Amino acid sequence: GESVGLHLPTLSVQEGDNSIINCAYSNSASDYFIWYKQESGKGPQFIIDIRSNMDKRQGQRVTVLLNKTVKHLSLQIAATQPGDSAVYFCAESGNAGNMLTFGGGTRLMVKP
Amino acid sequence: DTGVSQNPRHKITKRGQNVTFRCDPISEHNRLYWYRQTLGQGPEFLTYFQNEAQLEKSRLLSDRFSAERPKGSFSTLEIQRTEQGDSAMYLCASSPRGGGQGYGYTFGSGTRLTVV
Repeated sequence: GESVGLHLPTLSVQEGDNSIINCAYSNSASDYFIWYKQESGKGPQFIIDIRSNMDKRQGQRVTVLLNKTVKHLSLQIAATQPGDSAVYFCAESGNAGNMLTFGGGTRLMVKP
Repeated sequence: DTGVSQNPRHKITKRGQNVTFRCDPISEHNRLYWYRQTLGQGPEFLTYFQNEAQLEKSRLLSDRFSAERPKGSFSTLEIQRTEQGDSAMYLCASSPRGGGQGYGYTFGSGTRLTVV
């Protein structure tokens, strides 16, 4: 498959460790945030989202933290698995999800 | 209906030719979006439809680009007089009408355009 993001920042973790991927956003009016996972040759896959009236939301093995004061978003993946290897993008929206603005992406590599 | 479907998956065209891509959204979703993604970058918004109405267009959508959703179901994106700078992955997404958490904004696998 075709590689997504040849020159992206890379986070390399050992299988079983926890991963933290960070994202800074610029629009203080954004009220909705999403994390996507993208594998080579595929479209972005929804992982988890959060509204601006929350600062934490948990899913299965994933947690999103939102710090509106410093406009920072993070994705925590527990017990990282080889199948988690992909490029991760954060996205923000200020108008109920009509148009998403994506960040630059981080490549996660999981070492067995 | 297993998701958002895009065709073709890959398209190679000569500079100056016209190309058309198709997107079939999730059937119960009334919103449809087009994005463009170049290598190393996140997707960039191009345009979106609510049913058959095109409600927003990005400045990235030059006059050579046109999108339609004639019956509020599938959509087409046409690029006329293609240029090498049009080479990218064109992604389609759909969502139900907004409200609440988890908008169900689902992307297709994209059409990879290469202009030679």
